[in-house]
Amino acid sequence: DIQMTQSPSSLSASVGDRVTITCRASQSISTYLNWYQQKPGKAPNLLIYAASSLQSGVPSRFSGSGSGTDFTLTISSLQPEDFAIYYCQHSARTPYTFGQGTELELK
Amino acid sequence: QVQLQESGPGLVKPSETLSLTCTVSGASFSDYFWSWIRQPPGKGLEWVGYLSSIGSTTYNPSLMSRVSISTDTSRSQLSLRLNSVTAADTAVYYCARGAWLVGAGTSAFDVWGQGTMVTVSS
Repeated sequence: DIQMTQSPSSLSASVGDRVTITCRASQSISTYLNWYQQKPGKAPNLLIYAASSLQSGVPSRFSGSGSGTDFTLTISSLQPEDFAIYYCQHSARTPYTFGQGTELELK
Repeated sequence: QVQLQESGPGLVKPSETLSLTCTVSGASFSDYFWSWIRQPPGKGLEWVGYLSSIGSTTYNPSLMSRVSISTDTSRSQLSLRLNSVTAADTAVYYCARGAWLVGAGTSAFDVWGQGTMVTVSS
């Protein structure tokens, strides 16, 4: 199985900050990498697919980059509704696996 | 608007079978693949398996011996069966639509149900 490792596991930030979350794959996955946002008690929501493509309806302050084994999710200017848990997920082959999550907290 | 709604018993006894249903509205089964994904309390996400647009199934090897996913297209329902459950199977179970993203050459889970909590306990 391909292991996905996110860093940091948690992050404290303020409204307006620029934040970056990193996801590393245990082997090369090209750009087969997706990012999701999950709020408490809710299902995950797709933000970014294919490493850098913004899902329809997602604000442009979210962006993704990377290829191979190293990927980043960047939020350019944090808004109050962005405090949540973020997960990366590879879609290179089955079994699909997710990172352990990064909890973004209000400082 | 596409909607997915999971349903099933919230409590299952150890060694018994967990059975869940996902009712799909606003989308055709034949245009997507359909997954079950679970999340133990306070933990991360685990892909359980999927049913493809042509009706074939692929499962997580960690669960393969115990899991079955099927569909009843006449009722627009996706089903999950997990045999011989233990406390480790306690989780929120989500059904999710898998979309092949034209131009990107890959897939993602673009629509999710609200999830249903299943507790395994005697």
